[in-house]
Amino acid sequence: EVELLESGGTLVQPGGSLRLSCAASKFPFSNYALSWVRQVPGRALEWVSSVTASGRTTQYAASVKGRFTVSRDNSKDTMYLQMNPLRTDDTAVYYCVKHLYSGTYSGFHYWGQGTLVTVSP
Amino acid sequence: QSVLTQPPSASGTPGQRVTISCSDGGSSIGSSSVHWYQHIPGTAPKLVIYTNDQRPSGVPDRFSGSRPGGSASLAISGLQSEDEADYYCAAWDDSLNGWVFGGGTKLTVL
Repeated sequence: EVELLESGGTLVQPGGSLRLSCAASKFPFSNYALSWVRQVPGRALEWVSSVTASGRTTQYAASVKGRFTVSRDNSKDTMYLQMNPLRTDDTAVYYCVKHLYSGTYSGFHYWGQGTLVTVSP
Repeated sequence: QSVLTQPPSASGTPGQRVTISCSDGGSSIGSSSVHWYQHIPGTAPKLVIYTNDQRPSGVPDRFSGSRPGGSASLAISGLQSEDEADYYCAAWDDSLNGWVFGGGTKLTVL
């Protein structure tokens, strides 16, 4: 079955930077769009960013636009999320998500277990 | 505040049928497809319905979806204790050029 393994979550100070990684396996990575979705504990899921299968098109939620950058390396079956500057309201569990198809308009299909990012002084 | 509106909670006894609504409140998801996710805290969310009414392989046929007009619904029949979870609807919003989620519905099996 599809495997998505997030890493990079940790405690960081406000204004700091962090890069999350999502290592994928057991599916043809370069054929599918990917996204990051986050959840503040006890609150609803929130979409963060998406990237098409080719990596040529990216999209961002208004809350992170200009601060976060999504990218993927199809030769390494890995997606990244560069985050800076971080704010306290970025504290959340970040999920790596594989879409149903190559376009980011297709629904979210498989989800990783998530990695916790804590932004605190 | 979520663009998509869901009831915060729902409940039922084993064997019952429950429905969870997802309203766009006149937002611009328009004719976008609605997808549904089951989330047991501490685990990875799971897709249970995609493109309004399609069920992924492996999801029991007790789960069904519909999209009559501006609202969408998830129905779970023959309720089981393992169905207790948070359920979220999601859709693409053209005006935001991004994905939006509902606020989530906590389903309790009594």
